[in-house]
Amino acid sequence: DSGVTQTPKHLITATGQRVTLRCSPRSGDLSVYWYQQSLDQGLQFLIHYYNGEERAKGNILERFSAQQFPDLHSELNLSSLELGDSALYFCASSTGQIATNEKLFFGSGTQLSVL
Amino acid sequence: DQQVKQNSPSLSVQEGRISILNCDYTNSMFDYFLWYKKYPAEGPTFLISISSIKDKNEDGRFTVFLNKSAKHLSLHIVPSQPGDSAVYFCAASAGWGDTNAGKSTFGDGTTLTVKP
Repeated sequence: DSGVTQTPKHLITATGQRVTLRCSPRSGDLSVYWYQQSLDQGLQFLIHYYNGEERAKGNILERFSAQQFPDLHSELNLSSLELGDSALYFCASSTGQIATNEKLFFGSGTQLSVL
Repeated sequence: DQQVKQNSPSLSVQEGRISILNCDYTNSMFDYFLWYKKYPAEGPTFLISISSIKDKNEDGRFTVFLNKSAKHLSLHIVPSQPGDSAVYFCAASAGWGDTNAGKSTFGDGTTLTVKP
């Protein structure tokens, strides 16, 4: 158990809908990262928050947004969903502000299926 | 432009033999490299890492080698065990001052199968 909790584990929805994925980092970790893994592809970095503030952005679509709350949990909001958004979404946490010299602790992911 | 590449999608080895997983990167600003292992239905878990000031790091059966001039790293597993069967991701990160700061960039992964 990594200590990172992601809910829900599975999500099935229709095109055009909006969903929210939730992540609770390890106790004491201030950084939260979101990654997307599409079929047979690697982990694509979406966004990084540190202590409530956005720190880095990857190839995150404008239809996607995220935030980190004062209690340090994070939510990833996906709207106007398309078939191509179907993927496994991972949240990871670490103690510090940047990824250098730090390993990430991953949740077990949310499998999103857009039908 | 994929900055971290794992050119072998899969690798199959016999139990007890050596497994060698390879990873290439293009960004010379990367200064820290990590390997993660992922089992089905689980998130990736950290395996071993290496700083750019070193060329080798060892942890039990796992050794990571870094060749900075070639921008290449490899993970050696000796001896390989059936429980090592998983997807292995290579990741790289950079300090502040680079556009990759604040994130780890992952390769696409290599699926290792260790046959009994």
